[in-house]
Amino acid sequence: DSGVTQTPKHLITATGQRVTLRCSPRSGDLSVYWYQQSLDQGLQFLIQYYNGEERAKGNILERFSAQQFPDLHSELNLSSLELGDSALYFCASSARGGLDSPLHFGNGTRLTVT
Amino acid sequence: AQSVTQLGSHVSVSEGALVLLRCNYSSSVPPYLFWYVQYPNQGLQLLLKYTTGATLVKGINGFEAEFKKSETSFHLTKPSAHMSDAAEYFCAVNFSGNTPLVFGKGTRLSVIA
Repeated sequence: DSGVTQTPKHLITATGQRVTLRCSPRSGDLSVYWYQQSLDQGLQFLIQYYNGEERAKGNILERFSAQQFPDLHSELNLSSLELGDSALYFCASSARGGLDSPLHFGNGTRLTVT
Repeated sequence: AQSVTQLGSHVSVSEGALVLLRCNYSSSVPPYLFWYVQYPNQGLQLLLKYTTGATLVKGINGFEAEFKKSETSFHLTKPSAHMSDAAEYFCAVNFSGNTPLVFGKGTRLSVIA
């Protein structure tokens, strides 16, 4: 058990809808990351937060947004969903977000857009 | 552009045989290197990491990896494969403080009885 909790485990929704994915980091970890995993693109970095502030942004679409709250949990909001957004979304956390800090991953949320 | 390349999307070995999963990165500055394993329907789990110091790094489950600066490689090995090693393996590199971990596309390891 990595200590990172993601909810829900599965999400099935229709195109055009909006969903929210939730992540609770390991106790004491200040940095939260979101990754998207799909068969054709592999693991793609979306966004990173550190202690409530956005630290780095990757290939995140404008339809997607995220935030980290004062209690350090994070939410990833996906709107105007398209079929191509179907993927596994992972949250990861690390203590400091430094170069040598490994990421600890949750078990992911599998999103299916129909 | 900084990149991580894993040679072979699928590797198949016999139980008890040597496991060798290849990873190369593009950088003139030695980065921080990691290997992760993903079992079906689970998240990624850290196998081992190289930051500084000894170039041969030992990880969990009998895996080890060697950092070779001259070859910009960080290949993962295990002397004797076990059925439970069947999983997807990802090499990941932290190139700088301004970018998060960059992952390779992964190598699926199959172990044949």
